[in-house]
Formats: sequence, structure tokens, C-alpha cells
Amino acid sequence: EAGVAQSPRYKIIEKRQSVAFWCNPISGHATLYWYQQILGQGPKLLIQFQNNGVVDDSQLPKDRFSAERLKGVDSTLKIQPAKLEDSAVYLCASSGRTGFLNNEQFFGPGTRLTVL
Amino acid sequence: AQRVTQPEKLLSVFKGAPVELKCNYSYSGSPELFWYVQYSRQRLQLLLRHISRESIKGFTADLNKGETSFHLKKPFAQEEDSAMYYCALPFEGTDKLIFGTGTRLQVFP
Repeated sequence: EAGVAQSPRYKIIEKRQSVAFWCNPISGHATLYWYQQILGQGPKLLIQFQNNGVVDDSQLPKDRFSAERLKGVDSTLKIQPAKLEDSAVYLCASSGRTGFLNNEQFFGPGTRLTVL
Repeated sequence: AQRVTQPEKLLSVFKGAPVELKCNYSYSGSPELFWYVQYSRQRLQLLLRHISRESIKGFTADLNKGETSFHLKKPFAQEEDSAMYYCALPFEGTDKLIFGTGTRLQVFP
């Protein structure tokens, strides 16, 4: 079974520039998550999709971050414009079922973003 | 507010020594907790979950509701256990996870 794929793996941009990350979840997984992990902290959920609908985006800074999952498979996360504090690893995860407390989430390798 | 606390950033032990990684949580309901692990150059992955009452790679974790803890234990640490360990709690009965800040376990030969 192929794992969660993410690209790019690394990205360096200057503040006020835009950046986009891509995620391809495990085939058949309906639920997709985007997390932000700042150095020294645990992952923090930004947005959760079930198929192509948003389940939770309460922690997404909507003035600069956007995400979509148009066909219920791949997803993109965009930051426009980026700030220095957006430097972090952006993790994508997927799971097979939504609403079950004991769902295992499968994580991608992450994209390390550095904003200069 | 729900919170997961891992008080130790770094835990260093020698091979064969017992290991206990601490996790405390705040939640008024009945919690279902997880331990996730990230080995060097690998992805974050599930190690074990409370509901399964399982032992994975020799690790166990017991939920103590009185102390609101879910400490991860292993009687004899191995070098390959060196990794980052994260405790996680579902938010208010959803599948949205709240992660602790993580503990780095270093096992020396």
C-alpha cells in the first residue's frame, strides 16, 4: 500500500511570497488532514476534509491560508502572503474513516517551509 | 480547554534500562489516547492506542484517570527505540487530534 505523498519536500521563500503544498492521500481514504508543526512543538491541525468537504478549519488562518480538495482525493494548501512565523513543517495525513475516535492517521513525509 | 502535556523534552537512558515517557492530559470526558512515534528520517506513525490495550515493540501505556495520565513504558530500552514520541488526545469526541510537544528518547549503547 503506497503511503501519503507530499511535495515539495523543502521550500524556501521570502516573506510576502506565495507557496503551495500538495498532498496525495492513501487510496480510498476519505479523510484528509493538514497539520502545521513548528520547531519544538507537536503537530497542530489546520484543516480536516472528508471527501471534498471541510469538516474543521477552525485553526486555519484564513486571511492567508487556503486549502482545497476539489475531487475528494488530492489536496493543496496555499499560503499567500507568507510570514516569517509560517516557517514550519506542513504535514498531511489521511485516515479511512471519519468520526471514529480510534482512527489511525497515516502521515506523509512533510514539507519543510522556511520563510526568510 | 483540552490539553496534552509532555513535561520532558529529552529523555536519555542506556540500553536495557527501563523507560517511562510521561503524558498528562486535561479532558472532562472519557479520553481515548494515542502514542505516535517518529524515528529518524521516517514519518510520524501510530505506536499504540489506549483502546487496544496492546503492547507494541515492548511498549505499553496505561490510562490513569485519577492522575489524568497516559505514560508510555518499556521495561528494557533498545537503541532502536531512539525517536520522538508524541502523546495525542482526540478533541471532544471527534477524530481531530491534539498533540503534545513531544519527548525525544535517546537510548545509548
